Amino acid sequence: QKEVEQNSGPLSVPEGAIASLNCTYSDRGSQSFFWYRQYSGKSPELIMSIYSNGDKEDGRFTAQLNKASQYVSLLIRDSQPSDSATYLCAGGDSGYSTLTFGKGTMLLVSP
Amino acid sequence: GAVVSQHPSRVICKSGTSVKIECRSLDFQATTMFWYRQFPKQSLMLMATSNEGSKATYEQGVEKDKFLINHASLTLSTLTVTSAHPEDSSFYICSARTDRMNTEAFFGQGTRLTVV
Repeated sequence: QKEVEQNSGPLSVPEGAIASLNCTYSDRGSQSFFWYRQYSGKSPELIMSIYSNGDKEDGRFTAQLNKASQYVSLLIRDSQPSDSATYLCAGGDSGYSTLTFGKGTMLLVSP
Repeated sequence: GAVVSQHPSRVICKSGTSVKIECRSLDFQATTMFWYRQFPKQSLMLMATSNEGSKATYEQGVEKDKFLINHASLTLSTLTVTSAHPEDSSFYICSARTDRMNTEAFFGQGTRLTVV
């Protein structure tokens, strides 16, 4: 059984701070990892993907992957109230298979 | 990113009727499409996986005769909720992937179904 674990939160950070979201996964065969953001009442939208060990930066977002520890994280720098949402971590392999989603971490950024 | 269009975004139907939800990949060929259901303040729940031209694979506990899925082409999948009941009211979301390795899934906008 493939599992992706996330702390449900909420994670509360003040505006301008760094938000750190974490995720662990059980399937060592997973090759690709994704972070999605879901606003209340909306469908998830992809914000980052990462396939190799190390860091990947895109604007205020940095994804980190450590395959040895089976750990994925997402850092959001200079957090804004508009970043308040639920962040879903997902792992997968081939395009024929479904991604395995975590239950999501709710992030609250206070002004 | 790629675009997945889901229609309708919102539907209200009477108990006992059927509702069809469409999911289209607009700028890529979606070899595999997924249907999820999400209740308020809960996580995504995978209902079924469909590959173009073959029967859908349903998750345990999902009634295949109630939730009919058709994936007739590489750009279109449909979910029909048959004989809908109030407990079927939920947010239904489709997503699509291609058959290449390491591909992300793109989500449709979701359909909020209310059965009265």
